[in-house]
Amino acid sequence: GAGVSQSPSNKVTEKGKDVELRCDPISGHTALYWYRQSLGQGLEFLIYFQGNSAPDKSGLPSDRFSAERTGGSVSTLTIQRTQQEDSAVYLCASTLLAGGGSEQFFGPGTRLTVL
Amino acid sequence: SQQGEEDPQALSIQEGENATMNCSYKTSINNLQWYRQNSGRGLVHLILIRSNEREKHSGRLRVTLDTSKKSSSLLITASRAADTASYFCATDAYGNKLVFGAGTILRVKS
Repeated sequence: GAGVSQSPSNKVTEKGKDVELRCDPISGHTALYWYRQSLGQGLEFLIYFQGNSAPDKSGLPSDRFSAERTGGSVSTLTIQRTQQEDSAVYLCASTLLAGGGSEQFFGPGTRLTVL
Repeated sequence: SQQGEEDPQALSIQEGENATMNCSYKTSINNLQWYRQNSGRGLVHLILIRSNEREKHSGRLRVTLDTSKKSSSLLITASRAADTASYFCATDAYGNKLVFGAGTILRVKS
C-alpha cells in the first residue's frame, strides 16, 4: 500500500477481554515499531521488529502484551486481559532501513478504550 | 524517563508569527528528528538532523542542533493555521529505536 495502515481505527472493549491490533507496514520496509500514546503524552516505545532478528521487546509494559510479525510484513499486537490503564492510542511505524537513523512512517493509530 | 524534553509544553501565536520549540536530551545521539502530529493520530516526519550538523532547513522549517548543550530547536516561520499540531522531537541514541519527548502543542490563531 501507499502508507502504513492499522486496524481497527477504534476499539472499545470490556476490562478483562483480549484485543488484537493489526499493522500493515509499507511494502519493503525492514523495520516495524509499536508505540503507545496516552492522552496528551508522548510516545512510549513498546516493541521493535527488524528482519529475521529477534524482536526488541524491552518496552512491553507487562506479560499481557505480546506482538508478532508474520512473514516480515504484517504485525499483530495482542493485549490479554485488558485493563483500564491500557486505554491509549496504539501507533505502528515502519522504516526502510533498520535502526534509529531512518525516517519513521506512522500509521493512523488504533484508539483503544477499555471500559 | 524520556530522552527528549520539549519546551514550552504549549504555545499559542497569531498567524504570520514565528514559532520556536526547544528540545533537550540527555545522552549522546546519532541524530535527532522532529515530527508533527495532528488530532492525536499518526505522526508525520518533518526533518532529521545528524549529530555532525548544526542547522538544517526545509521550507518554512529551520532546525538547529547544539550537541554541546544537548539541545535542538525547531523554528516555524510565517506560521499558518494549518501548522496547529503537536510537535515532537525524537532522538536516536545509537540504538534500534527513537525515543520521543512529550511534545509541544502549537496553536496558531487566524
